[in-house]
Amino acid sequence: AQSVTQLDSHVSVSEGTPVLLRCNYSSSYSPSLFWYVQHPNKGLQLLLKYTSAATLVKGINGFEAEFKKSETSFHLTKPSAHMSDAAEYFCVVSALRDDKIIFGKGTRLHILP
Amino acid sequence: DVKVTQSSRYLVKRTGEKVFLECVQDMDHENMFWYRQDPGLGLRLIYFSYDVKMKEKGDIPEGYSVSREKKERFSLILESASTNQTSMYLCASSPVLKITTEAFFGQGTRLTVV
Repeated sequence: AQSVTQLDSHVSVSEGTPVLLRCNYSSSYSPSLFWYVQHPNKGLQLLLKYTSAATLVKGINGFEAEFKKSETSFHLTKPSAHMSDAAEYFCVVSALRDDKIIFGKGTRLHILP
Repeated sequence: DVKVTQSSRYLVKRTGEKVFLECVQDMDHENMFWYRQDPGLGLRLIYFSYDVKMKEKGDIPEGYSVSREKKERFSLILESASTNQTSMYLCASSPVLKITTEAFFGQGTRLTVV
């Protein structure tokens, strides 16, 4: 069975400082992993996806994530936070075998001026 | 661009009413999903469908049913709405899942049951 755990429900960082949103996954098969972002009153937007071609994945808006099989992690990072990054972020695992897409509970990112 | 359209952004219904939430996608995707989103709980899968007339229960199917008569349309039905079904409902579609496939989401329907 597949599952995904986002380790922090809220993260606060100051503008201009690094962002780290943590995600651990469990999968019986080689996983597909994604990060989505949801701004207030908006739909979900794909930030980046792990395709197995490279363990370090670059996404939109300066975000990147590193797939670490030994740690079963897929943490999302950004070197310098911007006020516009304030949103909720979801780590997602895709279960290829049974076509399910499973979401973590979300991490709300707050950016302090 | 892929477009997933949910018929209503906001709905208010009374307890006991039968409620239909409609979702249409325009990219000929095989898979369609219904999630509900609640604070602190993330997105939980209600039902999904991988083909016309096919459906699979997700994690929280109780109190819901679905219909997929055409490939582009996936309907979520609340047979008898209850206040604990007040939530944001999100529809998604995707091609058959492969290593690079992502899901595309509608804007969501915020349902309030009074």
